[in-house]
Amino acid sequence: GESVGLHLPTLSVQEGDNSIINCAYSNSASDYFIWYKQESGKGPQFIIDIRSNMDKRQGQRVTVLLNKTVKHLSLQIAATQPGDSAVYFCAENYGGATNKLIFGTGTLLAVQP
Amino acid sequence: DAGVIQSPRHEVTEMGQEVTLRCKPISGHNSLFWYRQTMMRGLELLIYFNNNVPIDDSGMPEDRFSAKMPNASFSTLKIQPSEPRDSAVYFCASSPRAADTQYFGPGTRLTVL
Repeated sequence: GESVGLHLPTLSVQEGDNSIINCAYSNSASDYFIWYKQESGKGPQFIIDIRSNMDKRQGQRVTVLLNKTVKHLSLQIAATQPGDSAVYFCAENYGGATNKLIFGTGTLLAVQP
Repeated sequence: DAGVIQSPRHEVTEMGQEVTLRCKPISGHNSLFWYRQTMMRGLELLIYFNNNVPIDDSGMPEDRFSAKMPNASFSTLKIQPSEPRDSAVYFCASSPRAADTQYFGPGTRLTVL
């Protein structure tokens, strides 16, 4: 029978365009956030992180924006390339007694040549 | 640095058999995590260790799953007996501390027939 899996949000962009991937986090007490990239057949790979005392952080071709008021995180990729095609996960430090990272469900970025 | 090392990379076994997955974290990292990834449920945290001590095993699905970390450079995840629904990719990750950036291994793809 047909298998039912997670319905990943998908963002389709043209090569060279800028991409924006969004993430809503759940815990207002979270103070550390990370974006990961997962290519097919590989483990998640760290891209960029941000602490709650910042609202913006830039890396090479990537920028993370944090809006604590609405608990929203975004990843901007400039001049998207075919090699950027992957699933992107945001993760938040959940704090509390166990002090661990909680991962979102992910967004599939598809770059069209 | 070699990164997180997992073995085997692929495992095919029959229902009822014991399966042992292995992980070597990055040297100097004090926290180690085991995750399971499936299409149905995404990336799930199974258990994590701080300084070789299990801190949170609330994600371990049932008693058939067990994890050990006998020393700072080695951990195992065991499934006994295995069932077809255990088929998934199992990732190990390590970080300097629990809420820091986690670095993932390449994963073990487990297929239980």
